[in-house]
Amino acid sequence: EVQLVESGGGLVQPGGSLRLSCAASGFTFSSYSMNWVRQAPGKGLEWVSYISSSSSTIYYADSVKGRFTISRDNAKNSLYLQMNSLRDEDTAVYYCARGRDYAPWGQGTLVTVSS
Amino acid sequence: EIVLTQSPATLSLSPGERATLSCRASQSVSSYLAWYQQKPGQAPRLLIYDASNRATGIPARFSGSGSGTDFTLTISSLEPEDFAVYYCQQRSNWPSTFGQGTKLEIK
Repeated sequence: EVQLVESGGGLVQPGGSLRLSCAASGFTFSSYSMNWVRQAPGKGLEWVSYISSSSSTIYYADSVKGRFTISRDNAKNSLYLQMNSLRDEDTAVYYCARGRDYAPWGQGTLVTVSS
Repeated sequence: EIVLTQSPATLSLSPGERATLSCRASQSVSSYLAWYQQKPGQAPRLLIYDASNRATGIPARFSGSGSGTDFTLTISSLEPEDFAVYYCQQRSNWPSTFGQGTKLEIK
């Protein structure tokens, strides 16, 4: 069964840092690009970042550029999102999603930025 | 950045009825448009990719159409489990963008 499991969310103060992880199983992780998408409480979906299968191509939303870093470890079947200089508006559930077709998605991990 | 506008914001229908959801792009996205379903407390699920292709395991009552700037998601006969929020997404240009969503509620 294809599965994505996010972890690493939690409560952090403004200006703080957090590292999210997405553990993949049930498929050849190294063959797929990956994405991070977030959803603020009660709001819609916002694409955050993309990484190609080999990490050669990376994109970020303007809202996180310069603060967030996406990476992956194909040997560990894992995707990461390093989030620095966190702001109140970064509060959201963060999902990882597989491939160009964003299928499937993980269950999400909640990041709360608050003092 | 390509803006996707979904309409209506809320659609109130009864089980068995036909649902038609619209997604309009601010510029052409060719056929690089997807539709997702999200139920409360759950992650989104891919329904349609490349405008008209049903994802694996999606029932035939879901269909997508359109190209360029105007797209439609049709649910031919609503089942109770279809009441949810639906999002469109374009992958034609970076950044990828989502519509604001259409809430399909029971009338």
